[in-house]
Amino acid sequence: DTEVTQTPKHLVMGMTNKKSLKCEQHMGHRAMYWYKQKAKKPPELMFVYSYEKLSINESVPSRFSPECPNSSLLNLHLHALQPEDSALYLCASSQDLRFSSTDTQYFGPGTRLTVL
Amino acid sequence: DAKTTQPNSMESNEEEPVHLPCNHSTISGTDYIHWYRQLPSQGPEYVIHGLTSNVNNRMASLAIAEDRKSSTLILHRATLRDAAVYYCILISNFGNEKLTFGTGTRLTIIP
Repeated sequence: DTEVTQTPKHLVMGMTNKKSLKCEQHMGHRAMYWYKQKAKKPPELMFVYSYEKLSINESVPSRFSPECPNSSLLNLHLHALQPEDSALYLCASSQDLRFSSTDTQYFGPGTRLTVL
Repeated sequence: DAKTTQPNSMESNEEEPVHLPCNHSTISGTDYIHWYRQLPSQGPEYVIHGLTSNVNNRMASLAIAEDRKSSTLILHRATLRDAAVYYCILISNFGNEKLTFGTGTRLTIIP
C-alpha cells in the first residue's frame, strides 16, 4: 500500500476559526512533509518531520502549527489564518530523510483550504 | 541549491513519444536528478531518478547528458493520462535534503 491519505478533502474556515488537517500513511515511512500549493504554482515546502521530530521549518508563520503524534500520523493545526493562506495543502512521506537523494516521496491528494 | 530550467509548456500528440528537457548547468557531482509529475487535481507523483547513467522504469526513461548539465525525460508513448505538470528536481547526496520544485513543464496531449 503506497497511499497517503488526507482529511478533509475540502475545508472552508473563517479567520477566527481553529481547524486541523490530518495526514496518514502506513508504509512505515519515518519522514513526513507538509507542502503548500497556490493555484498554478509549484508546491512549496512548509515542514519536515523525521522520526517524529521537526527537522525543517521553512520559516512558516506560527498560525500554522504542525504535530506528529506518531510515525503514521501528521497534523497541521490552523489558527487565525488569513485569506491569502487559501491553497492546496499537500502531505507527503518518504522512507528516511537521511537518504533523500535516492528516496521517493509519496504525496497525498491534498486538502483544499479556503479562508474567508 | 543547483537550479533547473524547463520549458513552461509542451504539446504532444497521443501515442507518440514525448521528450521533456531539463537544463541544470550548475549541477554538482553529488546531485541526483529526480522527476515528479502532477496530474490535474492530484498530488505530485514520483516518475524516475538517476545520477549518471540512463535509467528506465515502467513509466518513463531518463536520458542524462554525458556532462550531466542536461537531462531528458522520455515518455515512450504518450496517452491522455500523461497530461500533467512535469518537474525536474536536483537533490544533493548529502542527505536530509528537501525537494525544491521549480515551475515545471505543463504537458498537453492532443488526441
